[in-house]
Amino acid sequence: EADIYQTPRYLVIGTGKKITLECSQTMGHDKMYWYQQDPGMELHLIHYSYGVNSTEKGDLSSESTVSRIRTEHFPLTLESARPSHTSQYLCASSTKTGQSYNEQFFGPGTRLTVL
Amino acid sequence: LAKTTQPISMDSYEGQEVNITCSHNNIATNDYITWYQQFPSQGPRFIIQGYKTKVTNEVASLFIPADRKSSTLSLPRVSLSDTAVYYCLVGGEYNQGGKLIFGQGTELSVKP
Repeated sequence: EADIYQTPRYLVIGTGKKITLECSQTMGHDKMYWYQQDPGMELHLIHYSYGVNSTEKGDLSSESTVSRIRTEHFPLTLESARPSHTSQYLCASSTKTGQSYNEQFFGPGTRLTVL
Repeated sequence: LAKTTQPISMDSYEGQEVNITCSHNNIATNDYITWYQQFPSQGPRFIIQGYKTKVTNEVASLFIPADRKSSTLSLPRVSLSDTAVYYCLVGGEYNQGGKLIFGQGTELSVKP
């Protein structure tokens, strides 16, 4: 079993609130990722990190921000939540296996609803 | 990152072998081919990865022809619990830091 955790699992919040979605992994993986997925739709990469103090934007533009101060921790923050942010947010991590980082381990996800 | 094309949906019956083919005409020399499985309301789960020829693990087999422009995921003797979305991905070479693009995937429905 992969040791990657996300909290909270479910969050219902009002418009304008600041929220932080937590993601932690105990596998010592250097790479971490945030994806966004609406029900029945594709996963979209919104942020990723090569390692401590490294963050990059993904392929889908997002108003969220991330930080990577510790290897095991990759929180995602929304400064002012809006209904358009309602979605499922999935965190993942990986490390190099041979020449590839393709085996990503996913957390259980946070389902965010903004009213 | 190479784009992939796979069927939107497939139907099967319990006990049958299921083959899902993915096209990736623009695959780069250093790209690996990876398949994931996703159940509703869960994160994707890695199934199998290959570079060329055939790879087999306890869950599935992956067939890759010599030109690497396509790949086929083979699930032997599927059960109802194999009903899920299956994603074919290409890329993630080490100097891209494992960046993967998930497409629409193939929604596999296994019937009794």
